[in-house]
Amino acid sequence: EVQLVESGGGLVQPGGSLRLSCAASGFTFSSYWMHWVRQAPGKGLVWVSRVNSAGGTTSYADSVKGRFTISRDNAKNTLYLQMSSLRAEDTAVYYCARSYYYGSESYAFDMWGQGTMVTVSS
Amino acid sequence: QSVLTQPPSASGTPGQRVTISCSGGSSNIGSNTVNWYQQLPGTAPKLLIYSNNERPSGVPDRFSGSKSGTSASLAISGLQSEDEADYYCATWDNSLNGWVFGGGTKLTVL
Repeated sequence: EVQLVESGGGLVQPGGSLRLSCAASGFTFSSYWMHWVRQAPGKGLVWVSRVNSAGGTTSYADSVKGRFTISRDNAKNTLYLQMSSLRAEDTAVYYCARSYYYGSESYAFDMWGQGTMVTVSS
Repeated sequence: QSVLTQPPSASGTPGQRVTISCSGGSSNIGSNTVNWYQQLPGTAPKLLIYSNNERPSGVPDRFSGSKSGTSASLAISGLQSEDEADYYCATWDNSLNGWVFGGGTKLTVL
């Protein structure tokens, strides 16, 4: 089955760290750019970070730059998000998403995981 | 405050046609294609429209998208109760060097 499954969420204190994982199956993981998108409770979607297919190119939203690190292990078909210096405003459901190239410089997130909840609170 | 502006809510009765707008600028919608996502209550988002007006396999042709200049819109015809969901537009922003989403529109089927 073609799917993405996130794990690693939980309750963490402000200033703490957490690593999220996203296990991919059913497709050639190493061929796709991958992303993290988050959604605070009752709020909209916010893009967090992306990594290219080989893992050598990354970019981040300004709100997490310097605190979060995206990475991937293509041998394990797994995407990661290492989060540090966590703040209350990082509380959200974190989704991993696959980016599909439709041609003519057109990309879209065509596959999403079910999400994992991260709560930052003392 | 989202980079892309959507109305927070929209509504319609079964069978009606509704449209949801998405307004941006020259660095995002004006330069790149727009995608639309549907998020049913308690579920992950699902790709509804890509490349401004293309539907992924399995998406009913009741859903259509368009783009003009720095704005885009999603139209839903023959509204059904199962269309009640949150809808988000999204595109790449050349200035921010990242993906941006609209704030989302909650569609209510009356």
